[in-house]
Amino acid sequence: GEDVEQSLFLSVREGDSSVINCTYTDSSSTYLYWYKQEPGAGLQLLTYIFSNMDMKQDQRLTVLLNKKDKHLSLRIADTQTGDSAIYFCAEYIRNLIFGKGTKLSVKP
Amino acid sequence: EPEVTQTPSHQVTQMGQEVILRCVPISNHLYFYWYRQILGQKVEFLVSFYNNEISEKSEIFDDQFSVERPDGSNFTLKIRSTKLEDSAMYFCASSVVEDQPQHFGDGTRLSIL
Repeated sequence: GEDVEQSLFLSVREGDSSVINCTYTDSSSTYLYWYKQEPGAGLQLLTYIFSNMDMKQDQRLTVLLNKKDKHLSLRIADTQTGDSAIYFCAEYIRNLIFGKGTKLSVKP
Repeated sequence: EPEVTQTPSHQVTQMGQEVILRCVPISNHLYFYWYRQILGQKVEFLVSFYNNEISEKSEIFDDQFSVERPDGSNFTLKIRSTKLEDSAMYFCASSVVEDQPQHFGDGTRLSIL
């Protein structure tokens, strides 16, 4: 069946780059998304990529898509303490299928 | 920037009672969704709604659940007879068209006692 997997935790130092990885199983996904959830808040759409693209850059965020390996990554350059949150990968196939989320901790 | 709003932010209800969760989607969006997140688990799709009809629903969305767009702005999720396992964060989302990005509200935390 459809499934999205992410590692659960990532810890980086302020100023370093963070790379959050995600794998998915259904190759018919049209879009792949990254959402951010801060404590007590909802899901904030960060960025997304169409399945026929392999890279998208948006300021400090870079999304890489390897469709052959069904692998998606989110790179955050110059990570700040305000980037500490849970990051969810999701694929769209008629509805959103989410991973469990990666908790990013940024140490000063 | 327009946003999806949900009320209440926290709802505490006795088991067996009915509960209605409310959402105001972004005004020019045509597709509406409910998702839920049980503590420590994945965000799960419940139902999508378009043109005053359910367009898709998951196995979770059984006969205890219903959705409605009672007027031009609100979109509601009703749970008819709540169970302990319905305790979760419920998120409403909307999108302009079906496969475009979905924008989420801040969620309603539902606690069933």
